Amino acid sequence: GAVVSQHPSRVICKSGTSVKIECRSLDFQATTMFWYRQFPKKSLMLMATSNEGSKATYEQGVEKDKFLINHASLTLSTLTVTSAHPEDSSFYICSATDRGRLEYFGPGTRLTVT
Amino acid sequence: TQLLEQSPQFLSIQEGENLTVYCNSSSVFSSLQWYRQEPGEGPVLLVTVVTGGEVKKLKRLTFQFGDARKDSSLHITAAQPGDTGLYLCAGPEDSNYQLIWGAGTKLIIKP
Repeated sequence: GAVVSQHPSRVICKSGTSVKIECRSLDFQATTMFWYRQFPKKSLMLMATSNEGSKATYEQGVEKDKFLINHASLTLSTLTVTSAHPEDSSFYICSATDRGRLEYFGPGTRLTVT
Repeated sequence: TQLLEQSPQFLSIQEGENLTVYCNSSSVFSSLQWYRQEPGEGPVLLVTVVTGGEVKKLKRLTFQFGDARKDSSLHITAAQPGDTGLYLCAGPEDSNYQLIWGAGTKLIIKP
């Protein structure tokens, strides 16, 4: 089946620094990738939709200058959390779709900002 | 606006018992998906139901899609501690590929 990887799986950073999270589709070309944020004991919250070669579409309330998304190729999307603060600590999950209606999810990245 | 409501939000039962989790909407969905998520990991797709009235079985898990395609249920028979996790239902929004998510059901199976 389709596989989506994320890197890193865990990251701890100091407040004010930036963190980049990578999302890769390993055995298919992902025309669209999604970035989600998940708070403890909560469902996934869609942050943005990323289409290869175009600017990401952000959901209402998500700061595009804070969460930079780059979908440089059909197999890679990156999310950069800029000037991270403790309230940005969360579980970030990406997913990818290959034109179908199924999303394949990455394993997630646990971000802790100290 | 299409919404999905899951119930119950939390369920803790003894090993060997049966349980049902519900995913309801006032809107019609072309399909619904069920995911299971363990702490610290991304959701894993369990099944997709597409046809109204469809029933799919995955070992001890039985998934049903309502005739009107507005609701779905997940039934677990003889639950085991390994079934513990967060169960999420999701369905594609009519206008695009974005998934609409239920709030999830946290399931704990006690040995």
